[in-house]
Amino acid sequence: DTGVSQDPRHKITKRGQNVTFRCDPISEHNRLYWYRQTLGQGPEFLTYFQNEAQLEKSRLLSDRFSAERPKGSFSTLEIQRTEQGDSAMYLCASSTGWVSDSYEQYFGPGTRLTVT
Amino acid sequence: SQKIEQNSEALNIQEGKTATLTCNYTNYSPAYLQWYRQDPGRGPVFLLLIRENEKEKRKERLKVTFDTTLKQSLFHITASQPADSATYLCALEGAAGNKLTFGGGTRVLVKP
Repeated sequence: DTGVSQDPRHKITKRGQNVTFRCDPISEHNRLYWYRQTLGQGPEFLTYFQNEAQLEKSRLLSDRFSAERPKGSFSTLEIQRTEQGDSAMYLCASSTGWVSDSYEQYFGPGTRLTVT
Repeated sequence: SQKIEQNSEALNIQEGKTATLTCNYTNYSPAYLQWYRQDPGRGPVFLLLIRENEKEKRKERLKVTFDTTLKQSLFHITASQPADSATYLCALEGAAGNKLTFGGGTRVLVKP
């Protein structure tokens, strides 16, 4: 079990550019979640997948954000036309969901995005 | 709207004492309440989960209580150690495996 991995760990981009982040969940986990966290705050839910199906999207997820999980394995989160307000830590988590009796989420190390 | 409140002030505590953190929520009926630990620059790490029909849960030096009438959870770290210094996050879940709604976290600093 290698845990949840995220790539890149840090990304600096200029305003208006597009960025894409990748998350590799724990292999047997069918649920995958994306959260965003700003300094001094708790993580805020963005979206989550059950296998390849996107089940819920937060109203925080504007049209500039899109997430995919092809084949129910890794996931990507893309932000188009980045704005300075997008600067945050983007966290990915995975869980077994309702399949087992444990509902805890396992988080990756996060991708820190800085928009200049 | 749903609101989850944790004490935003850091909790400074002497090694060996018990740290008690509070999580209050409004406009929410969670099926599960979870506590996570987060170190600077890292993702949260799961500590404990308590269900709505449970009053108390323990794991080693950690204890969680859940009062759905008061809409409050208390998180205790007994015999605290400097290694317990971190931010502790409370998270509510409406149904199994669904999204978590987090509080803002409370930073704990255990002094030797």
